[in-house]
Amino acid sequence: AQSVTQPDIHITVSEGASLELRCNYSYGATPYLFWYVQSPGQGLQLLLKYFSGDTLVQGIKGFEAEFKRSQSSFNLRKPSVHWSDAAEYFCAVGARSSASKIIFGSGTRLSIRP
Amino acid sequence: DGGITQSPKYLFRKEGQNVTLSCEQNLNHDAMYWYRQDPGQGLRLIYYSQIVNDFQKGDIAEGYSVSREKKESFPLTVTSAQKNPTAFYLCASSQLNQPQHFGDGTRLSIL
Repeated sequence: AQSVTQPDIHITVSEGASLELRCNYSYGATPYLFWYVQSPGQGLQLLLKYFSGDTLVQGIKGFEAEFKRSQSSFNLRKPSVHWSDAAEYFCAVGARSSASKIIFGSGTRLSIRP
Repeated sequence: DGGITQSPKYLFRKEGQNVTLSCEQNLNHDAMYWYRQDPGQGLRLIYYSQIVNDFQKGDIAEGYSVSREKKESFPLTVTSAQKNPTAFYLCASSQLNQPQHFGDGTRLSIL
């Protein structure tokens, strides 16, 4: 069965520090992979997606993620975080046969230390 | 601007009452979705529709109903059979095999 694991429930980093949010998935074939961000009381905004090709994908707001098939991972990174990056981050996986239906991880809440 | 509009932003339900959450999109997307979000549990799929006049149950459809009479509209009814309806409800839409776009959500509470 498809599943997505975000092992870190809550992470706090200092402003200007680098960030890596972990995401591991379980899927029988190469999936479509997504990262979304959610500010409190708001909907989800797509940060980036991986469908095929280059395993290092660039997204909005300076984020990037790397697809590692051997590790079943799709970790999100940012070299220097800003206070405005404080939010909830969700990793998601979709089937290539029906990428419209996707499964979300339980999310990682990011706090920024001034 | 194209987007997804959910209304109302806040909704209160009395015991034994059905309530309907609105979701409208002007992105010309074929597929639409309803998710429920509870703290610490991420998003869970309630219903989805890939074409007008057709929809499928998601993982937690019990106590909910939907309709898809128009491409741009996908209302969700939370029935009295849903015993724990307090949650944040998110609507999304997409073209097939493309990322989903989300509305700003409706927060439903019980009076």
